[in-house]
Amino acid sequence: GQQVMQIPQYQHVQEGEDFTTYCNSSTTLSNIQWYKQRPGGHPVFLIQLVKSGEVKKQKRLTFQFGEAKKNSSLHITATQTTDVGTYFCAGRPGSSNTGKLIFGQGTTLQVKP
Amino acid sequence: DSGVTQTPKHLITATGQRVTLRCSPRSGDLSVYWYQQSLDQGLQFLIQYYNGEERAKGNILERFSAQQFPDLHSELNLSSLELGDSALYFCASTRQEHTGELFFGEGSRLTVL
Repeated sequence: GQQVMQIPQYQHVQEGEDFTTYCNSSTTLSNIQWYKQRPGGHPVFLIQLVKSGEVKKQKRLTFQFGEAKKNSSLHITATQTTDVGTYFCAGRPGSSNTGKLIFGQGTTLQVKP
Repeated sequence: DSGVTQTPKHLITATGQRVTLRCSPRSGDLSVYWYQQSLDQGLQFLIQYYNGEERAKGNILERFSAQQFPDLHSELNLSSLELGDSALYFCASTRQEHTGELFFGEGSRLTVL
């Protein structure tokens, strides 16, 4: 079946270090979204990427969608303790629109002050 | 506050029992998603409804069923419960069917003893 794989599963960084999580799909995605879930909380939408090769920035966060629309990455520059949480990518499989939104396993980020 | 309401917040029941989880989407949202999140696990897509109709199905067990009512609220029914069904069940809603950010509720934590 359709799978969205995310690595690494866990990442511990010192405050101020950079962080990257990678997302790979077994099939082409029509779009990809990123969510953040704080400990004990619910997922909160960060961004959606639609176009092949698209790059979007939100302050210290940079999101990329691969040329083949099968992979994506989230990079955080100079992490802060407020960045702690689990980051999920979520993709809609197929070249045509679909309601199905498949989440990766998530990358849990711990930041040491 | 995402605007998505889920009840109950916590539920403890025994194996073999049946429970119903309820979700009220954000005002104006026509699409409802259900996800299962087990301990330290990602979000497993269960099912999606759009304006009362089932639109996409994930790895939802036959013991589980769902529906979306004319007033757009949704219910997830879990029957013949097993220990492994213990999890956090999230409902999310969105305005459009194939795109756009998902707004998640706080989740219903089910414990099966």
